[in-house]
Amino acid sequence: DIQLTQSPSTLAASVGDKVTITCRASQSVDDWVAWYQHKPGKGPKRLIYRSTALDGRVPSRFSGSGSGTEFTLTISSLQPDDFATYYCLQYESYSGFSFGQGTKVEL
Amino acid sequence: QAHLVESGGGVVQPGGSLRLSCTGSGFNFGSYPIHWVRQAPGTGLQWLTAIWYDGSPQFYTDSVKGRFTISRDNSKNTGYLQMDGLRVDDTGVYFCATDTPPSDWGQGTLVTVSS
Repeated sequence: DIQLTQSPSTLAASVGDKVTITCRASQSVDDWVAWYQHKPGKGPKRLIYRSTALDGRVPSRFSGSGSGTEFTLTISSLQPDDFATYYCLQYESYSGFSFGQGTKVEL
Repeated sequence: QAHLVESGGGVVQPGGSLRLSCTGSGFNFGSYPIHWVRQAPGTGLQWLTAIWYDGSPQFYTDSVKGRFTISRDNSKNTGYLQMDGLRVDDTGVYFCATDTPPSDWGQGTLVTVSS
């Protein structure tokens, strides 16, 4: 099974900060990585798919990069609505999708 | 706009069974895969299973293989997760989602396995 390791687990930041979250895969997943924002009591919200493609209605301050085993989610200027937990997902093969363990972005 | 609603969660004893439902509206339900994802208390998201547009094939993570069964009835715009042999560590919020990678999600239904 492919394991994803996110870092950091928790990130303290302020409004206006640039935030970077890293996701490392235990083997190559090409560019089959998505990023999600999750808030308590709600379903996750997909932000990015195919490593770099921004979902519709997602603000352009979010961006994704990477291929192979290293991926990054960047928030260029953190906004109050962005405090949440973020997950990467690899979907290289239906034999086993997997999420990273999550990164909580807090004040 | 796609809308998904999960139902069927509740409290069950270890070894028991539950069937979760996922009803979709606002999109062509039969054209998309369905996924089930779980969040155990205090932990992150875990992908469990998926089913293709027309019901075959199905895919499972190892920890639920042989205990959980995913299915769908496109005439009812509904997907199902039959959970048998439930264990305490199956406790959590269960989400359904459509598309790959999952794009539209429900708000989840809580399953508690406890004696």
